[in-house]
Amino acid sequence: DTEVTQTPKHLVMGMTNKKSLKCEQHMGHRAMYWYKQKAKKPPELMFVYSYEKLSINESVPSRFSPECPNSSLLNLHLHALQPEDSALYLCASSQDLGIRVQFFGPGTRLTVL
Amino acid sequence: AQSVTQLDSQVPVFEEAPVELRCNYSSSVSVYLFWYVQYPNQGLQLLLKYLSGSTLVKGINGFEAEFNKSQTSFHLRKPSVHISDTAEYFCAVSGRISTDKLIFGTGTRLQVFP
Repeated sequence: DTEVTQTPKHLVMGMTNKKSLKCEQHMGHRAMYWYKQKAKKPPELMFVYSYEKLSINESVPSRFSPECPNSSLLNLHLHALQPEDSALYLCASSQDLGIRVQFFGPGTRLTVL
Repeated sequence: AQSVTQLDSQVPVFEEAPVELRCNYSSSVSVYLFWYVQYPNQGLQLLLKYLSGSTLVKGINGFEAEFNKSQTSFHLRKPSVHISDTAEYFCAVSGRISTDKLIFGTGTRLQVFP
């Protein structure tokens, strides 16, 4: 299995809602990443987990809360988002931090009303 | 720190013509280099990578790239494009320390016309 899967594919939420994005990989990778991508822009790194521990937080607002329950799963909990948070959220994984080849999931298209 | 520049935001080309997408990077240390492709409403797919060794790297879908250290470039080429190659192409660079991040260029939109 060489896939990174993400659910849901699309998500529409209000500014007072709480929702979660889910990412899963079964490649035995020990590093997992969240990126945010606005239209016609490159992906921007948000968080990096290594061996289930948060390794990098790119000064992301606290309304985004990552969680890595086990080595195959990565969640992104969303609360009190703003319309400008609407974007494509991409999950990626790599064998570990030192192996720089990242495999990306298809993304979750988030719309905040 | 590293940076990457993709000078061409859009490249229009006719089907079966050759194409080159340009990528230049800046770094004071040795780097890894990547090309990713993103089809509409999809995630990123790795086309090819340069980690070490041969400077000519072959990837999927008939693409290849050449690492040129003296010119700090990693241009992507395909000798004959198809309509299905229409997509956004991102060049990316990272340093070789484990905590170095993957830095993406701004992307090049390849539009293939029949």
